Amino acid sequence: ELKVEQNPLFLSMQEGKNYTIYCNYSTTSDRLYWYRQDPGKSLESLFVLLSNGAVKQEGRLMASLDTKARLSTLHITAAVHDLSATYFCAGLQGSNYKLTFGKGTLLTVNP
Amino acid sequence: DGGITQSPKYLFRKEGQNVTLSCEQNLNHDAMYWYRQDPGQGLRLIYYSQIVNDFQKGDIAEGYSVSREKKESFPLTVTSAQKNPTAFYLCASSIDGAGLNTEAFFGQGTRLTVV
Repeated sequence: ELKVEQNPLFLSMQEGKNYTIYCNYSTTSDRLYWYRQDPGKSLESLFVLLSNGAVKQEGRLMASLDTKARLSTLHITAAVHDLSATYFCAGLQGSNYKLTFGKGTLLTVNP
Repeated sequence: DGGITQSPKYLFRKEGQNVTLSCEQNLNHDAMYWYRQDPGQGLRLIYYSQIVNDFQKGDIAEGYSVSREKKESFPLTVTSAQKNPTAFYLCASSIDGAGLNTEAFFGQGTRLTVV
């Protein structure tokens, strides 16, 4: 059964700094997703990663996938306050379509 | 526009009462999901369905029931057996039959409170 672990669970950073959130998963996952959640809101899709070596970028966020290491990363470049949110990664098993989430990373960007 | 619609946005339940949360999608997705989120916590899977007339228990199915009579609809009933139902409930869908769609989308959520 697929298990997904994120770290760190809490991240406080200064504006302008770079940091990376890590997402490890336990077994083969057909797709790896990254989501953003603002307080009291639903989840917003950020990235879908399908294959080994996949890299996607949107603004100050870049996600990558290493299927051999069973690791995905979400890299934040030159953080700004608007990026403050909770970020989730999730893996989907193609055999049963089960979508399993990590516990989330609460990111706070301070001025 | 295509998407997932959850209703109601807010729901209040009395002790011992069953309530049903609605989730409808027009994305032609095969798979649908229900998650529960408690304050400051992650998402826990309640039930999921790969296809019409089939569904599987997730990690916290006790006290909940679902049906999948139509492809576009996946209602969740919170029964009186669920002793602590106050939470934020999220519905999601993914994967169309042709395997072309790659994203998993979420509805806006239903906030359930026991009064």
